[in-house]
Amino acid sequence: AQSVTQLGSHVSVSEGALVLLRCNYSSSVPPYLFWYVQYPNQGLQLLLKYTTGATLVKGINGFEAEFKKSETSFHLTKPSAHMSDAAEYFCAVSDSSASKIIFGSGTRLSIRP
Amino acid sequence: DAGITQSPRHKVTETGTPVTLRCHQTENHRYMYWYRQDPGHGLRLIHYSYGVKDTDKGEVSDGYSVSRSKTEDFLLTLESATSSQTSVYFCAISDRGRSENSPLHFGNGTRLTVT
Repeated sequence: AQSVTQLGSHVSVSEGALVLLRCNYSSSVPPYLFWYVQYPNQGLQLLLKYTTGATLVKGINGFEAEFKKSETSFHLTKPSAHMSDAAEYFCAVSDSSASKIIFGSGTRLSIRP
Repeated sequence: DAGITQSPRHKVTETGTPVTLRCHQTENHRYMYWYRQDPGHGLRLIHYSYGVKDTDKGEVSDGYSVSRSKTEDFLLTLESATSSQTSVYFCAISDRGRSENSPLHFGNGTRLTVT
């Protein structure tokens, strides 16, 4: 069975600092991996996805994530945080045999001025 | 944005009453999903559909039923609402029928309070 673990329910960084949100997954077959962002009182929006090929994936708003099979990780990063990045971020996993996408419990990102 | 409409957006109901939430899409996607979002739990899958009249259970399906009589509509019913079903409910759609790695597109959610 697939599962996703997001380390840290809340991360706080200063404006301009590096953002690092951690995600580890479990899957018995090659996974498809996703990061979503949720702003207050809204649904989730896709930030980026990994399917096959290049392991470094670039998304919207300057975010990127690297798929590391040996570490079963798919951490999300952004070099310089903006105030507008404050939101909740969800990692999710699926695969070619699954009809379902499984989500982690989310990480709330706060940005300090 | 994907054409997904959830109704109602907010609802307050009493314990023991039936409740139906509606998800309507204009994208003609084959797959539709119902998730609930609760603090500390992220999003948990309730039920999903892979075609008209084709549905399957997710990880938290007890107390919920679904129906899909048309491609565009996916209904979630709480037969007898309980306070533990107070949550924010999200509908999502996917074009997985065309591409297996298609992401989900979400509606704006329904906030349900069971008193």
